[in-house]
Amino acid sequence: KQEVTQIPAALSVPEGENLVLNCSFTDSAIYNLQWFRQDPGKGLTSLLLIQSSQREQTSGRLNASLDKSSGRSTLYIAASQPGDSATYLCAVKGGSEKLVFGKGTKLTVNP
Amino acid sequence: DAGVIQSPRHEVTEMGQEVTLRCKPISGHNSLFWYRQTMMRGLELLIYFNNNVPIDDSGMPEDRFSAKMPNASFSTLKIQPSEPRDSAVYFCASSPARGLAGSEQFFGPGTRLTVL
Repeated sequence: KQEVTQIPAALSVPEGENLVLNCSFTDSAIYNLQWFRQDPGKGLTSLLLIQSSQREQTSGRLNASLDKSSGRSTLYIAASQPGDSATYLCAVKGGSEKLVFGKGTKLTVNP
Repeated sequence: DAGVIQSPRHEVTEMGQEVTLRCKPISGHNSLFWYRQTMMRGLELLIYFNNNVPIDDSGMPEDRFSAKMPNASFSTLKIQPSEPRDSAVYFCASSPARGLAGSEQFFGPGTRLTVL
């Protein structure tokens, strides 16, 4: 059974800092990995999708990497801003349409 | 495109009452997913449909929960009778294609359910 873990559960940083969020999964037989952002009381916004054949994806200040063999992904946020404060979730897709989610990292960027 | 639409956004009901949550997926998407999010368990998949057919309902917690997708643009999740432990945020998501590794899931804003 696939399990997804995100560490740390919460992170607080000063504005302007570069930071890394971590995601690990137990079964490396995945099709893709997706990073989401969730603001309080809101739905999930898809940030980046990495196919199993890819090593990384970039969007603006965000860069996500995938090491399928070791069961790890990272989300790098450059020059963090207070508006980046949210919960970040990673999810992996295995042999079906199912996404298995981690419990998220709550990020606070302090002005 | 309006994105995935869910209604109601908030629902407060009393234990034992029937609750119906509604979802309109993104036009052209042929996979639809119902998730539940709680503090304790995080996001869990309840059921998903492809081309209006239920494919996997192994995440549905009990017989009190049922889901339907009568057509490509509408789905319901029903809880009857509701219990306080059903209180959670319920999300609907849709995806453009089945079987393609690259298909993303797009989420609706969720329905926050409180059962008193």
